[in-house]
Amino acid sequence: KQEVTQIPAALSVPEGENLVLNCSFTDSAIYNLQWFRQDPGKGLTSLLLIQSSQREQTSGRLNASLDKSSGRSTLYIAASQPGDSATYLCAVRNYGQNFVFGPGTRLSVLP
Amino acid sequence: GAVVSQHPSRVICKSGTSVKIECRSLDFQATTMFWYRQFPKKSLMLMATSNEGSKATYEQGVEKDKFLINHASLTLSTLTVTSAHPEDSSFYICSATDSAGANVLTFGAGSRLTVL
Repeated sequence: KQEVTQIPAALSVPEGENLVLNCSFTDSAIYNLQWFRQDPGKGLTSLLLIQSSQREQTSGRLNASLDKSSGRSTLYIAASQPGDSATYLCAVRNYGQNFVFGPGTRLSVLP
Repeated sequence: GAVVSQHPSRVICKSGTSVKIECRSLDFQATTMFWYRQFPKKSLMLMATSNEGSKATYEQGVEKDKFLINHASLTLSTLTVTSAHPEDSSFYICSATDSAGANVLTFGAGSRLTVL
């Protein structure tokens, strides 16, 4: 059974800092991995999708990497802004199975 | 990009009544839709998976008679919370994926249910 963990559970940084969020999964036979952002009381917004054959994906200030062999993915946020404050969730999908979500990392970027 | 619309965004009802939440894919055919429940400051808990034209597959511990899911078309799935009780109060989120190779998961904005 796939299990997904995220470290840290919460993170508070001053504006402008670069930061890394971590996602770990136990079953490396994944189909894809997706990073989401959730604002309080809102749904999820997809940030980046990495297919199993890919090593990383980039969108603007965001870069997500995937290392299947070690069961890890990282989300790198460059030059953080107060508007980046949200909960970040990673979700892993194995072949023929549903997405399994991590517990999320609550990020606060202080002005 | 793919858009999923969820309605209503907020609903308050009395205990014992039933509430229906709709999830629509606006610009793609959603072969599979998922319903999640989220407790405060917790991650998403998958409740059920529905495929168009077939019965939903419920996760262990989710009462199928309590949470009725219908996926009658490729663009619409509904979740009905029957005989709602205060413990059913929660944030319910749907997501949809198409049959394309990328299988990107697109989420609705969520529905906040409060049962008095």
